[in-house]
Amino acid sequence: GENVEQHPSTLSVQEGDSAVIKCTYSDSASNYFPWYKQELGKRPQLIIDIRSNVGEKKDQRIAVTLNKTAKHFSLHITETQPEDSAVYFCAASTRGGADGLTFGKGTHLIIQP
Amino acid sequence: DSGVTQTPKHLITATGQRVTLRCSPRSGDLSVYWYQQSLDQGLQFLIQYYNGEERAKGNILERFSAQQFPDLHSELNLSSLELGDSALYFCASSGGPVGAEAFFGQGTRLTVV
Repeated sequence: GENVEQHPSTLSVQEGDSAVIKCTYSDSASNYFPWYKQELGKRPQLIIDIRSNVGEKKDQRIAVTLNKTAKHFSLHITETQPEDSAVYFCAASTRGGADGLTFGKGTHLIIQP
Repeated sequence: DSGVTQTPKHLITATGQRVTLRCSPRSGDLSVYWYQQSLDQGLQFLIQYYNGEERAKGNILERFSAQQFPDLHSELNLSSLELGDSALYFCASSGGPVGAEAFFGQGTRLTVV
């Protein structure tokens, strides 16, 4: 089955700097790659997703890039703010949506004031 | 608010006992997914139901079972509980057609003592 590796497990950046979280996947048939943000004690919330027919997608300060050849995708957050502090999960699916999502183990992003 | 409702929010029970977790999906969503989140394992997919039928199975133990009722709410039954079953259990729902995103409920925190 699909295996998703996520790095780093913890990332500390200064407020205003950029943060990058990377994921690799094993199944070349994966075609849907969402990113979820989970604040302490709360539910995971979708922040951005990308499908395999697109190489990059941007939404304000958040962007996701996908390299199908290398089977990796990354989350980029620019101009980080204190409210960006959370755990971020990447995931991959071969079925184009919520079906069959395999999650990475998460990255704890800490924004230092 | 994602529209996915889980009850109870917290549950404390003893080893060997049986508990039932309940999930009401977003209005109109046909798919329900159950995930287990523990500190060292991230978000582990347990099982999916679509319109009352089991659609996919993940890393669900034989001591665990689930069902989806005609009104589309779902229950996850955990029996012969062990200390290691202590975790946050999330339910998510999606609209069903390929490409729909998953919306997570607030989770049930289960503590087995």
